[in-house]
Amino acid sequence: DGGITQSPKYLFRKEGQNVTLSCEQNLNHDAMYWYRQDPGQGLRLIYYSQIVNDFQKGDIAEGYSVSREKKESFPLTVTSAQKNPTAFYLCASNSGVAGNTIYFGEGSWLTVV
Amino acid sequence: GENVEQHPSTLSVQEGDSAVIKCTYSDSASNYFPWYKQELGKRPQLIIDIRSNVGEKKDQRIAVTLNKTAKHFSLHITETQPEDSAVYFCAASISNYQLIWGAGTKLIIKP
Repeated sequence: DGGITQSPKYLFRKEGQNVTLSCEQNLNHDAMYWYRQDPGQGLRLIYYSQIVNDFQKGDIAEGYSVSREKKESFPLTVTSAQKNPTAFYLCASNSGVAGNTIYFGEGSWLTVV
Repeated sequence: GENVEQHPSTLSVQEGDSAVIKCTYSDSASNYFPWYKQELGKRPQLIIDIRSNVGEKKDQRIAVTLNKTAKHFSLHITETQPEDSAVYFCAASISNYQLIWGAGTKLIIKP
């Protein structure tokens, strides 16, 4: 768990602004994920990446973008096209081998002001 | 598409009693079933998991059972304590890389 670092923990976004959430892992995991969690709700997959320079859309990718230029880094950009971005964002990783545990970062709270 | 149904959405039990949360999955190829606990404002943390070649697994007060024929699995917590209060999520694998998540169960332990 301590091997996944998300920053910032709290972020405020103005209307029409893009913001980027950072996620870094030192677990040598191949796979990384971004989830969105609305208050009192479950986890919804935004994007995931199985390997460097490759990523796939999840269930709610519209209004978000990602990159995977390094194995340890998987930043998420919340674009102005995402009309309701206020949520708790969780980055996660695992080795990509079937049945291996997914570990989560501590999360980032994004609020639109 | 694949889905995981989780019940109940809220469960209130007396301290010391047992709690059971049930999940049903749709993808017969699913072979990994973790359970996560999430305290308010914090990240989900794995509490127990089970693979398809096993029917039951226990870890102190926590156990998980799996019925592959019926495609359901359950979390059992015995001798509940106040610190067990949290939201619990089940999940089922649909590939090496993806899990399908249940909607969560809010467990309330009454003193």
